[in-house]
Amino acid sequence: DAGVTQSPTHLIKTRGQHVTLRCSPISGHKSVSWYQQVLGQGPQFIFQYYEKEERGRGNFPDRFSARQFPNYSSELNVNALLLGDSALYLCASSLGAKYDGYTFGSGTRLTVV
Amino acid sequence: GDSVTQMEGPVTLSEEAFLTINCTYTATGYPSLFWYVQYPGEGLQLLLKATKADDKGSNKGFEATYRKETTSFHLEKGSVQVSDSAVYFCARGGNNDMRFGAGTRLTVKP
Repeated sequence: DAGVTQSPTHLIKTRGQHVTLRCSPISGHKSVSWYQQVLGQGPQFIFQYYEKEERGRGNFPDRFSARQFPNYSSELNVNALLLGDSALYLCASSLGAKYDGYTFGSGTRLTVV
Repeated sequence: GDSVTQMEGPVTLSEEAFLTINCTYTATGYPSLFWYVQYPGEGLQLLLKATKADDKGSNKGFEATYRKETTSFHLEKGSVQVSDSAVYFCARGGNNDMRFGAGTRLTVKP
């Protein structure tokens, strides 16, 4: 069975640009969460989606948005990129909305120049 | 607010040494607690978990016990191997999110 898949694996963008990151959860998992991991730090919670609805949002600016599709895959969008947005973006899926065990993807490494 | 604090690294040990990585948490109630491991260039892998007080999570020789009295979940292994070299994250679960510690880098030398 495929695990959590994220695309692309690496990305380089220029300040001010927009980026879309994609995530496909494990089959049967209905919840997708997004995390930002800056080099040398722990992952920071951005969003959780369950059954296509936003269930939680971390302390990130409105430049960050996300959505979940009927097949439970998800996109994370970041507008007006800043240098500080450079990070590893991790997607995690789980069966239910309440945390009961995340499976993480390998992440998308975003570099903003 | 709720947080997770773990022992600062990096930690360097010789093979077969004993490992302890400290983790304490603050939270409302009794959250589930977790240890994740991250190998270079990879995402996070669940190492072990405990869902209630006094539970002991274990996997691959690693253990951690949920201590509500000290709000701690310290990671231990009796004999580390070179292949255990990675970054270890302590985390606490919640209704809609999970909070992670800053991570502790472990290097095991032959």
